[in-house]
Amino acid sequence: ELKVEQNPLFLSMQEGKNYTIYCNYSTTSDRLYWYRQDPGKSLESLFVLLSNGAVKQEGRLMASLDTKARLSTLHITAAVHDLSATYFCAVDSWNGATNKLIFGTGTLLAVQP
Amino acid sequence: NAGVTQTPKFRILKIGQSMTLQCTQDMNHNYMYWYRQDPGMGLKLIYYSVGAGITDKGEVPNGYNVSRSTTEDFPLRLELAAPSQTSVYFCASSYSYLDEKLFFGSGTQLSVL
Repeated sequence: ELKVEQNPLFLSMQEGKNYTIYCNYSTTSDRLYWYRQDPGKSLESLFVLLSNGAVKQEGRLMASLDTKARLSTLHITAAVHDLSATYFCAVDSWNGATNKLIFGTGTLLAVQP
Repeated sequence: NAGVTQTPKFRILKIGQSMTLQCTQDMNHNYMYWYRQDPGMGLKLIYYSVGAGITDKGEVPNGYNVSRSTTEDFPLRLELAAPSQTSVYFCASSYSYLDEKLFFGSGTQLSVL
Protein backbone atom coordinates (compact mmCIF):
# COMPACT_ATOMS: atom_id res chain seq x y z
CA GLU A 1 0.00 0.00 0.00
CA LEU A 2 1.36 3.36 -1.02
CA LYS A 3 1.98 5.79 1.82
CA VAL A 4 2.95 9.42 1.41
CA GLU A 5 4.58 11.41 4.19
CA GLN A 6 5.34 15.10 4.30
CA ASN A 7 7.49 17.04 6.68
CA PRO A 8 7.32 19.33 8.34
CA LEU A 9 3.60 19.39 9.03
CA PHE A 10 3.78 23.03 10.06
CA LEU A 11 6.30 25.62 9.02
CA SER A 12 6.49 29.17 10.28
CA MET A 13 9.04 31.28 8.49
CA GLN A 14 9.95 34.91 8.05
CA GLU A 15 9.70 36.75 4.80
CA GLY A 16 12.90 36.60 2.81
CA LYS A 17 14.01 33.24 4.19
CA ASN A 18 14.50 29.97 2.30
CA TYR A 19 13.11 26.60 3.27
CA THR A 20 12.34 23.13 1.90
CA ILE A 21 9.30 20.88 2.30
CA TYR A 22 9.92 17.15 1.92
CA CYS A 23 7.64 14.47 0.51
CA ASN A 24 8.55 10.79 0.91
CA TYR A 25 6.58 7.91 -0.53
CA SER A 26 6.76 4.20 0.08
CA THR A 27 6.41 2.41 -3.28
CA THR A 28 7.54 2.96 -6.84
CA SER A 29 5.87 5.78 -8.71
CA ASP A 30 6.94 7.97 -11.59
CA ARG A 31 4.50 10.81 -11.12
CA LEU A 32 4.25 13.24 -8.28
CA TYR A 33 2.07 16.29 -7.91
CA TRP A 34 2.26 19.37 -5.74
CA TYR A 35 -0.91 21.27 -4.83
CA ARG A 36 -1.61 24.43 -2.92
CA GLN A 37 -4.71 24.99 -0.80
CA ASP A 38 -5.71 28.34 0.68
CA PRO A 39 -7.93 28.26 3.79
CA GLY A 40 -11.50 27.28 2.92
CA LYS A 41 -10.62 26.90 -0.77
CA SER A 42 -10.14 24.09 -3.22
CA LEU A 43 -6.82 22.71 -4.41
CA GLU A 44 -4.73 24.41 -7.04
CA SER A 45 -2.21 22.49 -9.09
CA LEU A 46 1.37 23.76 -8.75
CA PHE A 47 3.66 21.19 -10.33
CA VAL A 48 3.60 17.78 -11.93
CA LEU A 49 6.87 15.84 -11.90
CA LEU A 50 6.90 12.99 -14.38
CA SER A 51 10.37 11.44 -14.23
CA ASN A 52 13.44 10.93 -12.14
CA GLY A 53 15.45 14.12 -11.86
CA ALA A 54 12.56 16.33 -12.97
CA VAL A 55 12.80 19.90 -11.74
CA LYS A 56 10.17 22.57 -12.20
CA GLN A 57 10.18 26.17 -11.05
CA GLU A 58 7.62 28.90 -10.91
CA GLY A 59 8.32 32.13 -9.13
CA ARG A 60 9.71 31.46 -5.68
CA LEU A 61 8.80 27.76 -5.71
CA MET A 62 10.91 24.95 -7.13
CA ALA A 63 9.99 21.26 -7.06
CA SER A 64 12.19 18.27 -7.74
CA LEU A 65 11.77 14.51 -7.88
CA ASP A 66 14.17 11.67 -7.06
CA THR A 67 12.34 8.45 -7.87
CA LYS A 68 15.19 6.27 -6.66
CA ALA A 69 15.06 7.84 -3.22
CA ARG A 70 11.24 8.13 -3.46
CA LEU A 71 11.59 11.76 -2.46
CA SER A 72 10.30 15.05 -3.74
CA THR A 73 11.18 18.48 -2.43
CA LEU A 74 9.42 21.82 -2.67
CA HIS A 75 11.91 24.61 -2.15
CA ILE A 76 10.80 28.08 -1.20
CA THR A 77 13.13 30.94 -2.02
CA ALA A 78 12.87 34.35 -0.32
CA ALA A 79 9.42 33.65 1.07
CA VAL A 80 6.68 36.25 0.88
CA HIS A 81 3.42 36.42 2.83
CA ASP A 82 1.36 35.47 -0.23
CA LEU A 83 2.91 32.00 -0.14
CA SER A 84 1.11 31.24 3.13
CA ALA A 85 -1.08 28.19 2.45
CA THR A 86 -1.17 24.44 2.92
CA TYR A 87 0.94 22.50 0.44
CA PHE A 88 0.17 18.91 -0.45
CA CYS A 89 2.16 16.40 -2.39
CA ALA A 90 0.33 13.53 -4.05
CA VAL A 91 1.72 10.40 -5.64
CA ASP A 92 0.17 8.47 -8.49
CA SER A 93 -0.59 4.89 -7.51
CA TRP A 94 -1.10 3.68 -11.06
CA ASN A 95 -3.07 0.44 -10.99
CA GLY A 96 -3.47 -0.11 -14.69
CA ALA A 97 -6.80 1.68 -14.92
CA THR A 98 -6.57 5.16 -13.56
CA ASN A 99 -4.36 7.58 -11.74
CA LYS A 100 -5.48 7.29 -8.13
CA LEU A 101 -3.66 9.97 -6.26
CA ILE A 102 -2.54 9.29 -2.71
CA PHE A 103 -2.10 12.54 -0.81
CA GLY A 104 0.28 13.46 1.96
CA THR A 105 -1.08 15.08 5.11
CA GLY A 106 0.00 18.54 3.98
CA THR A 107 2.40 21.21 5.20
CA LEU A 108 0.86 24.36 6.62
CA LEU A 109 3.15 27.22 5.70
CA ALA A 110 2.84 30.53 7.55
CA VAL A 111 5.06 33.32 6.30
CA GLN A 112 5.42 36.07 8.85
CA PRO A 113 6.02 39.66 7.72
CA ASN B 1 -15.66 28.03 -18.26
CA ALA B 2 -17.52 26.44 -15.37
CA GLY B 3 -15.06 23.55 -14.89
CA VAL B 4 -16.08 21.27 -12.01
CA THR B 5 -19.20 22.38 -10.15
CA GLN B 6 -20.25 20.97 -6.79
CA THR B 7 -23.49 21.52 -4.92
CA PRO B 8 -24.34 22.22 -2.19
CA LYS B 9 -21.45 24.20 -0.67
CA PHE B 10 -22.59 23.56 2.88
CA ARG B 11 -24.94 21.06 4.48
CA ILE B 12 -25.84 19.93 7.97
CA LEU B 13 -27.35 16.47 8.37
CA LYS B 14 -28.78 14.62 11.31
CA ILE B 15 -27.49 11.15 12.08
CA GLY B 16 -29.27 8.62 9.90
CA GLN B 17 -30.33 11.05 7.19
CA SER B 18 -29.35 10.59 3.57
CA MET B 19 -28.25 13.03 0.92
CA THR B 20 -26.63 13.29 -2.47
CA LEU B 21 -23.69 15.53 -3.26
CA GLN B 22 -23.82 16.67 -6.84
CA CYS B 23 -20.81 17.05 -9.14
CA THR B 24 -20.84 18.03 -12.78
CA GLN B 25 -18.06 18.94 -15.19
CA ASP B 26 -18.27 20.56 -18.60
CA MET B 27 -14.81 19.63 -19.88
CA ASN B 28 -15.77 16.25 -21.37
CA HIS B 29 -13.44 14.53 -18.92
CA ASN B 30 -13.59 10.75 -18.73
CA TYR B 31 -12.17 10.41 -15.24
CA MET B 32 -13.98 11.70 -12.18
CA TYR B 33 -13.17 11.32 -8.50
CA TRP B 34 -14.61 11.96 -5.06
CA TYR B 35 -12.27 12.83 -2.22
CA ARG B 36 -12.88 13.70 1.39
CA GLN B 37 -10.66 15.93 3.48
CA ASP B 38 -10.80 15.71 7.24
CA PRO B 39 -9.53 18.68 9.28
CA GLY B 40 -5.77 19.06 9.07
CA MET B 41 -5.43 16.04 6.81
CA GLY B 42 -4.78 15.24 3.18
CA LEU B 43 -7.38 13.99 0.78
CA LYS B 44 -8.67 10.42 0.80
CA LEU B 45 -10.16 8.89 -2.34
CA ILE B 46 -13.73 7.64 -1.84
CA TYR B 47 -14.78 6.49 -5.32
CA TYR B 48 -13.70 7.11 -8.86
CA SER B 49 -15.02 6.58 -12.36
CA VAL B 50 -13.18 6.08 -15.63
CA GLY B 51 -16.22 6.73 -17.79
CA ALA B 52 -19.98 6.59 -17.94
CA GLY B 53 -21.28 3.37 -16.41
CA ILE B 54 -17.95 2.47 -14.76
CA THR B 55 -17.15 3.15 -11.11
CA ASP B 56 -14.78 1.68 -8.56
CA LYS B 57 -13.91 1.99 -4.89
CA GLY B 58 -11.11 4.15 -3.58
CA GLU B 59 -9.44 4.14 -0.18
CA VAL B 60 -12.49 4.93 2.00
CA PRO B 61 -15.72 3.83 0.23
CA ASN B 62 -17.74 2.56 3.20
CA GLY B 63 -20.96 4.49 3.77
CA TYR B 64 -21.03 5.96 0.26
CA ASN B 65 -22.38 5.08 -3.15
CA VAL B 66 -21.85 6.59 -6.58
CA SER B 67 -23.25 6.35 -10.05
CA ARG B 68 -22.08 7.62 -13.43
CA SER B 69 -24.91 7.62 -15.93
CA THR B 70 -23.42 10.44 -18.03
CA THR B 71 -19.94 11.75 -18.74
CA GLU B 72 -20.77 15.05 -17.07
CA ASP B 73 -22.27 13.95 -13.75
CA PHE B 74 -20.86 11.95 -10.85
CA PRO B 75 -23.12 12.19 -7.76
CA LEU B 76 -22.04 10.87 -4.37
CA ARG B 77 -24.73 9.41 -2.14
CA LEU B 78 -24.49 9.18 1.63
CA GLU B 79 -26.84 6.65 3.16
CA LEU B 80 -27.51 6.72 6.91
CA ALA B 81 -25.17 9.63 7.67
CA ALA B 82 -22.81 9.21 10.62
CA PRO B 83 -20.69 11.77 12.53
CA SER B 84 -17.58 10.14 11.05
CA GLN B 85 -18.70 11.45 7.66
CA THR B 86 -18.29 15.04 8.79
CA SER B 87 -15.72 16.31 6.32
CA VAL B 88 -15.11 18.47 3.28
CA TYR B 89 -15.86 16.65 0.06
CA PHE B 90 -14.11 17.46 -3.19
CA CYS B 91 -15.02 16.28 -6.64
CA ALA B 92 -12.32 16.25 -9.31
CA SER B 93 -11.95 15.31 -12.95
CA SER B 94 -9.34 14.68 -15.61
CA TYR B 95 -9.43 13.76 -19.29
CA SER B 96 -7.26 10.70 -18.92
CA TYR B 97 -4.70 9.12 -16.66
CA LEU B 98 -2.04 10.81 -18.73
CA ASP B 99 -3.36 14.23 -17.81
CA GLU B 100 -1.00 16.38 -15.88
CA LYS B 101 -3.41 17.49 -13.23
CA LEU B 102 -6.80 17.05 -11.71
CA PHE B 103 -9.34 19.82 -11.84
CA PHE B 104 -11.02 20.21 -8.47
CA GLY B 105 -14.43 21.56 -7.54
CA SER B 106 -14.79 24.11 -4.76
CA GLY B 107 -15.86 21.56 -2.18
CA THR B 108 -18.85 20.70 0.01
CA GLN B 109 -18.62 21.21 3.76
CA LEU B 110 -20.75 18.51 5.41
CA SER B 111 -21.50 18.26 9.11
CA VAL B 112 -23.36 15.29 10.59
CA LEU B 113 -24.76 16.02 14.04
